[in-house]
Amino acid sequence: QKEVEQNSGPLSVPEGAIASLNCTYSDRGSQSFFWYRQYSGKSPELIMSIYSNGDKEDGRFTAQLNKASQYVSLLIRDSQPSDSATYLCAVKGPGTALIFGKGTTLSVSS
Amino acid sequence: GAGVSQSPSNKVTEKGKDVELRCDPISGHTALYWYRQSLGQGLEFLIYFQGNSAPDKSGLPSDRFSAERTGGSVSTLTIQRTQQEDSAVYLCASSFAAGEAYEQYFGPGTRLTVT
Repeated sequence: QKEVEQNSGPLSVPEGAIASLNCTYSDRGSQSFFWYRQYSGKSPELIMSIYSNGDKEDGRFTAQLNKASQYVSLLIRDSQPSDSATYLCAVKGPGTALIFGKGTTLSVSS
Repeated sequence: GAGVSQSPSNKVTEKGKDVELRCDPISGHTALYWYRQSLGQGLEFLIYFQGNSAPDKSGLPSDRFSAERTGGSVSTLTIQRTQQEDSAVYLCASSFAAGEAYEQYFGPGTRLTVT
């Protein structure tokens, strides 16, 4: 059974702080990793994808991947109240659909 | 450009009735996926289509669930003899292709309530 694990939270950070969201996965054959943001009552929105070990930066977001440790994380710098949402980690291997974690709820207080 | 569209946005049905949910993928996307999201269950894969290949039905929870994709574009998910446990948000996603590096984009979902 391929699994993706996330801390459900809530993760609470003050406005302007760095939010760190973590995810581990069980299938060593996984090749692609995605972070989605989901606001309450809305569908998931893709914010980052990462395929190689190391860091990938896009604006205030940085995704980090460590395949040896089967670990992927998302850092959100200068967190804003509008970042308050559930963040879903998703993993994809060859010939498979996305496998999602249950998500981490982030709350950014102003 | 236009994103993934789904209809209806909400559907309330009585237990035992059949329902059809529709998904229109992003133009040019050859891969189409159905997921469902239940309270406390997270996003669960149901089925995916890639071009003209046979669909991967490995996530369908029972034989009451079926899906088809006509002309390589629009897809319909059918749930027969609905049960209360079928109540969930049904999400459709599409990607340019089904390879692992291709990003999936979700539609707004159909909220199904079985009474």
